[in-house]
Amino acid sequence: AQSVSQHNHHVILSEAASLELGCNYSYGGTVNLFWYVQYPGQHLQLLLKYFSGDPLVKGIKGFEAEFIKSKFSFNLRKPSVQWSDTAEYFCAVTRNSGNTPLVFGKGTRLSVIA
Amino acid sequence: EAGVVQSPRYKIIEKKQPVAFWCNPISGHNTLYWYLQNLGQGPELLIRYENEEAVDDSQLPKDRFSAERLKGVDSTLKIQPAELGDSAVYLCASSLDHRLAPYNEQFFGPGTRLTVL
Repeated sequence: AQSVSQHNHHVILSEAASLELGCNYSYGGTVNLFWYVQYPGQHLQLLLKYFSGDPLVKGIKGFEAEFIKSKFSFNLRKPSVQWSDTAEYFCAVTRNSGNTPLVFGKGTRLSVIA
Repeated sequence: EAGVVQSPRYKIIEKKQPVAFWCNPISGHNTLYWYLQNLGQGPELLIRYENEEAVDDSQLPKDRFSAERLKGVDSTLKIQPAELGDSAVYLCASSLDHRLAPYNEQFFGPGTRLTVL
């Protein structure tokens, strides 16, 4: 069975600090990889996704993620966080075939302090 | 374009009572998902529909949970009877027909937060 590990449960950063959230998955086949964000009181929104091609993926709001196949990783990064980035971040994976369901990690809560 | 609509947003019931959640997917999305999200966890799939057919319900606790999508549009998820451990957020998501593309983005609704007392 697929699984997704997010190593950081809660990250606290000051504004302008750099962010990196870890994500590892366990599945040997071809996968699609995603980062979702859930702002306080809002629904899950797609931040970025990787299907194929360039392993460095750029998403909305200055976020990016790098797919490293040899490490089964898809870490999320942002060079300079803002207070408005305070949210819960979920890494998810699905097999690259049809509309297979997303398998989510447990999430990382990011708190950005002024 | 309207997003995925869910109701109610919040529900508080006593244990052993029945409860139902409703989902209206994005227009034209034939794939519908119900996910369960426990506190401090990521969402976990309960059931997936392709039109009106449940194509993956392996994670649905069938002794107390049921779901339907009779006309291939709206869907209802029911719990009867509810237990204390069912307190969680129930999320609905939808996506386009998978035959149109290798993978289609899932759009999530706001969820229904269930509290069982």
